[in-house]
Amino acid sequence: DGGITQSPKYLFRKEGQNVTLSCEQNLNHDAMYWYRQDPGQGLRLIYYSQIVNDFQKGDIAEGYSVSREKKESFPLTVTSAQKNPTAFYLCASSIETGSYEQYFGPGTRLTVT
Amino acid sequence: GENVEQHPSTLSVQEGDSAVIKCTYSDSASNYFPWYKQELGKRPQLIIDIRSNVGEKKDQRIAVTLNKTAKHFSLHITETQPEDSAVYFCAASNNFNKFYFGSGTKLNVKP
Repeated sequence: DGGITQSPKYLFRKEGQNVTLSCEQNLNHDAMYWYRQDPGQGLRLIYYSQIVNDFQKGDIAEGYSVSREKKESFPLTVTSAQKNPTAFYLCASSIETGSYEQYFGPGTRLTVT
Repeated sequence: GENVEQHPSTLSVQEGDSAVIKCTYSDSASNYFPWYKQELGKRPQLIIDIRSNVGEKKDQRIAVTLNKTAKHFSLHITETQPEDSAVYFCAASNNFNKFYFGSGTKLNVKP
């Protein structure tokens, strides 16, 4: 299971607070992704990054922000502008060429009250 | 953008029977179709994938078929076992960077 880690596993925040979810990989993968998983809705793409210092919005980027200052790290900030932030967040990484398999982290369950 | 629909949302089969999960996609430019398995409390893992230049791919008890004309692809699991019980997600991509996932199928294999 190693290679891509997310912390913490569970996170609780009060409404109105920003919170940052960590994602680290030691697989030397170029691309990294953030997904949100809600019951019955599959995985929806929030942001993705193909290279350091570059990232693109996914389908549900509003209320989220990311950075990619290092190849190994792709943190996600859930801002107070995200209207429904309670969800399970999955980070993934993949090699840019050859195999396109996405390796997922264990996920962070965020609860905002 | 791409829209991937997956059916059924839940599927219950008897051990030893076959299971079939179907997905449709909307973007004819999509050319890569992976399937992921997510066991309870665990991360999704790739189980099989297919590219648009291939109509069928098999790996032991699992197979995937692709019909580009109809824009649908299916996962077939034969001789199901209790350890096949999980949520299965299909996905589609047209540039290997953005992946669009289906809503998932919860498969229950009854012993």
